Amino acid sequence: ETGVTQTPRHLVMGMTNKKSLKCEQHLGHNAMYWYKQSAKKPLELMFVYNFKEQTENNSVPSRFSPECPNSSHLFLHLHTLQPEDSALYLCASSQGTDNEKLFFGSGTQLSVL
Amino acid sequence: AQSVTQLGSHVSVSEGALVLLRCNYSSSVPPYLFWYVQYPNQGLQLLLKYTSAATLVKGINGFEAEFKKSETSFHLTKPSAHMSDAAEYFCAVSEDNAGNMLTFGGGTRLMVKP
Repeated sequence: ETGVTQTPRHLVMGMTNKKSLKCEQHLGHNAMYWYKQSAKKPLELMFVYNFKEQTENNSVPSRFSPECPNSSHLFLHLHTLQPEDSALYLCASSQGTDNEKLFFGSGTQLSVL
Repeated sequence: AQSVTQLGSHVSVSEGALVLLRCNYSSSVPPYLFWYVQYPNQGLQLLLKYTSAATLVKGINGFEAEFKKSETSFHLTKPSAHMSDAAEYFCAVSEDNAGNMLTFGGGTRLMVKP
């Protein structure tokens, strides 16, 4: 148990659906991240939040909308996704963003039909 | 259920010395094993992965790892450390070779002394 919890573990959705992924950390960290792990590609950094402020958006399409209401919670809102968005979405947290150790959640396996 | 244990959250070696980062796993099915590296101020990169084709897997930057089923281990090694190897290394296990549903270890920070 790394202290980073992601829900749901699995999600299947249609292209017209709206769903949200949730991440919660109990480590007192200030930075939270969304990563995408596609089937044949390395991990891709999507978003970074530091002290609730988005500090990086790695050219992610607008159909992915992050939300960070506080330093302990991070959401990824999904709407009108494409089948190629099917992937494992990993949340991570760290104390800060300057070369800090990452703690990962177990991920949400997303399938878009 | 799967789990990964990385022994040693911090490892320090001298430049030119052998690098050995330990990873032990548990899995109820034949595992697929991965090593990721996070260089300072960068995201994760896949270093190498084991998918049952060969027990000794060679990765980028001179790293390799050996799958030992009897020891449930997948330790990462490099014969000679370079200053640029200083990074955080994560071992992970998955039930499929695409790396879906990865379970990560806690990570090991490698420090390289001149």
